[in-house]
Amino acid sequence: ETGVTQSPTHLIKTRGQQVTLRCSSQSGHNTVSWYQQALGQGPQFIFQYYREEENGRGNFPPRFSGLQFPNYSSELNVNALELDDSALYLCASSLGQTGETQYFGPGTRLLVL
Amino acid sequence: SQQGEEDPQALSIQEGENATMNCSYKTSINNLQWYRQNSGRGLVHLILIRSNEREKHSGRLRVTLDTSKKSSSLLITASRAADTASYFCATDPGNTGKLIFGQGTTLQVKP
Repeated sequence: ETGVTQSPTHLIKTRGQQVTLRCSSQSGHNTVSWYQQALGQGPQFIFQYYREEENGRGNFPPRFSGLQFPNYSSELNVNALELDDSALYLCASSLGQTGETQYFGPGTRLLVL
Repeated sequence: SQQGEEDPQALSIQEGENATMNCSYKTSINNLQWYRQNSGRGLVHLILIRSNEREKHSGRLRVTLDTSKKSSSLLITASRAADTASYFCATDPGNTGKLIFGQGTTLQVKP
């Protein structure tokens, strides 16, 4: 158990809808990173939040957005869902921007129909 | 884009045998990490090896790093059925906490 929690665990949406995924970081951690993992692939970095500011972004379109709150929990929002957005979404918390060890939550599995 | 490439993609062994997985990467790194993932769930951090280290041990795990060849290997000794999982290497080229993962090796340990 890493102390990182995510909700919901599973979600089914239809194309064009919007979704919000949530992550609570491990106590004391101020950095949250989000990853998308398609079936059979390794996780791909979406973006990172450090002290409520976006601190780097991967190769994902603007319809992927996020927030980090004063308690360092975080949300990932995806607008205009596409079928290819179906994946496991993982958040990871760490201490500092160059946090070496990242502690992952159990993930949210999103299915877009 | 994927930084690391694991080899083999899949590995099936008997309990008690050793399992070796390899990872190659493209750019210079500060450290390389190995993670385990059970049944499409969250990743568990196994071990981190820094660029100035050549070998590191943690319990039944042994990791080597060859920066001249841009490769790393993970050895699991005396494997158990509970080691069945996917294993990923990850690098952080800019030391910014933005991990780049390989595609993983799926390990099956048969009882």
